[in-house]
Amino acid sequence: SQTIHQWPATLVQPVGSPLSLECTVEGTSNPNLYWYRQAAGRGLQLLFYSVGIGQISSEVPQNLSASRPQDRQFILSSKKLLLSDSGFYLCAWSPRLSITDTQYFGPGTRLTVL
Amino acid sequence: RKEVEQDPGPFNVPEGATVAFNCTYSNSASQSFFWYRQDCRKEPKLLMSVYSSGNEDGRFTAQLNRASQYISLLIRDSKLSDSATYLCVVTPSSGAGSYQLTFGKGTKLSVIP
Repeated sequence: SQTIHQWPATLVQPVGSPLSLECTVEGTSNPNLYWYRQAAGRGLQLLFYSVGIGQISSEVPQNLSASRPQDRQFILSSKKLLLSDSGFYLCAWSPRLSITDTQYFGPGTRLTVL
Repeated sequence: RKEVEQDPGPFNVPEGATVAFNCTYSNSASQSFFWYRQDCRKEPKLLMSVYSSGNEDGRFTAQLNRASQYISLLIRDSKLSDSATYLCVVTPSSGAGSYQLTFGKGTKLSVIP
């Protein structure tokens, strides 16, 4: 069966510090991968998605970036965090050739920027 | 008009009650529809897909009305464990954009003993 991991689970960072969140998927190959953010009182916002190694599409211009160095690894980064970057960051995967578009989420990273 | 709209609730219902949530979407070309469940401070989990003919999974029934552009979720015989936020999810179109799910903000359900 497929599993998706994210770490760290929680993170408290000062404004201006760098960020690196990691997501890995097991039990599948060539998945589509996604990064979402859920801010307090708001819906899930798609930040990035990737259909393959080195292929990243950005949905929202911001100070965040994403990379996919390996097939089942997805990394979210920032050089300088803003207060507005606080939120619940969720990684998700979907089967590349799925016809249902269903996405499966990791446990998330709760980020607080102070 | 927002892409996906849901009544935020909260819906407070007694155990055993039947409760229904509606969700409207703005893009008439939307192809796929889902209900996800999100427990407090947890990740969303797929509850069920929504098919054109309507579908049922135990106590849960989902329906789609393409003409009016809404989907619904009916929960019968509510359990305490049903307490969660229910997210309506829509894919905008088929093809290249089909993996870009659009989420509603969710409807919060509290089932009371």
